[in-house]
Amino acid sequence: DAMVIQNPRYQVTQFGKPVTLSCSQTLNHNVMYWYQQKSSQAPKLLFHYYDKDFNNEADTPDNFQSRRPNTSFCFLDIRSPGLGDAAMYLCATSRAAAGDGSTDTQYFGPGTRLTVL
Amino acid sequence: AQKITQTQPGMFVQEKEAVTLDCTYDTSDPSYGLFWYKQPSSGEMIFLIYQGSYDQQNATEGRYSLNFQKARKSANLVISASQLGDSAMYFCAMREGAFSGGYNKLIFGAGTRLAVHP
Repeated sequence: DAMVIQNPRYQVTQFGKPVTLSCSQTLNHNVMYWYQQKSSQAPKLLFHYYDKDFNNEADTPDNFQSRRPNTSFCFLDIRSPGLGDAAMYLCATSRAAAGDGSTDTQYFGPGTRLTVL
Repeated sequence: AQKITQTQPGMFVQEKEAVTLDCTYDTSDPSYGLFWYKQPSSGEMIFLIYQGSYDQQNATEGRYSLNFQKARKSANLVISASQLGDSAMYFCAMREGAFSGGYNKLIFGAGTRLAVHP
């Protein structure tokens, strides 16, 4: 089955120690997104890639970076995690095509729950 | 102003009964898309149903249907014959503007937590 995969599902890191979260997809979608979701809140978009073009949200801290080495993979790097960065991180993908009856539904992975000690 | 409003922080329903989760939206763009997602306690956001602003009929997907009232700017999710596995957080989301191919920024509501009781 085509899907969005995130690894690891749970990540524990120390305050200030860099951490990388990974996302892969078999849907062959052009667009990949990273969201941060804190407890009992809606997901908050951090940035997205449209093919190789990176697009940062205006209020995303510089502490958050991303890489997309190819269509299938996308990484979220947190350079110096703080206690406030503890959250669920969700990766999503969508098609970048129109006129063929498709929709732009975002499909999400299972998420990585980050704990910062 | 809130673009997506989900006024019910929590809902309870008896197993096998139907339940309606409310969602109202605010946009001046004639083209938009509305999405509902389910998020169980495991954390994954599961896509349920989509309604385009120009779709003539209400969307349905199995036990899920969308009660789309364009003039009222509401897009309520109806779950028929609730099951215990339906217990989760439900998010309504909107994409403003037509899907022209490319980036899709979703505006999420605050969510409604549904509990299904046996």
